[in-house]
Amino acid sequence: AQSVAQPEDQVNVAEGNPLTVKCTYSVSGNPYLFWYVQYPNRGLQFLLKYITGDNLVKGSYGFEAEFNKSQTSFHLKKPSALVSDSALYFCAVRRTSTSGTYKYIFGTGTRLKVLA
Amino acid sequence: ETGVTQTPRHLVMGMTNKKSLKCEQHLGHNAMYWYKQSAKKPLELMFVYSLEERVENNSVPSRFSPECPNSSHLFLHLHTLQPEDSALYLCASSQVWQPNQPQHFGDGTRLSIL
Repeated sequence: AQSVAQPEDQVNVAEGNPLTVKCTYSVSGNPYLFWYVQYPNRGLQFLLKYITGDNLVKGSYGFEAEFNKSQTSFHLKKPSALVSDSALYFCAVRRTSTSGTYKYIFGTGTRLKVLA
Repeated sequence: ETGVTQTPRHLVMGMTNKKSLKCEQHLGHNAMYWYKQSAKKPLELMFVYSLEERVENNSVPSRFSPECPNSSHLFLHLHTLQPEDSALYLCASSQVWQPNQPQHFGDGTRLSIL
């Protein structure tokens, strides 16, 4: 069965420091991996995805993620955190159904708090 | 400005009431989804519609009844809900058979059951 784990409920980081939000996955076949962010009172917003190709993918707002097949990880990173990055982050793996729609398996989310 | 609009944003209802949640997407997508987001739990996929046909129903209680009259609109009809149904209900849309494109989410309806 496909699954996603986000081992940290919360990550605290000082503004200007690098940040990492961890995600590990379990899939059969090639993984299709996504990161979403959720700000208070808002829906989920797409940040970046890994489908194939370069292991380092770049996304919105200066975020990037590193795909590591041997460690089955897809950690989200940013070189220099901003207070405005404080939000709830979700890792997701996608599987395809026969209807052409896509079922996402989401992690439980990691709350990122960037301290000024 | 989100391409997926959900109304109302907040809803308080009693257990015997009947209400409906509405979702409208302006992205030209043809697949739509309902999710339930509860505190400390992963997002739960409830229903999936592809080309206006329901293709997935993840063991959701019958007190939740979805409707997709066209590819731009999705409803979730609610009746006789329970307190544990209080949650944020998110609608999402995507394009069928476009695997590289992400789902787009609305801002949700915060539902409180008294």
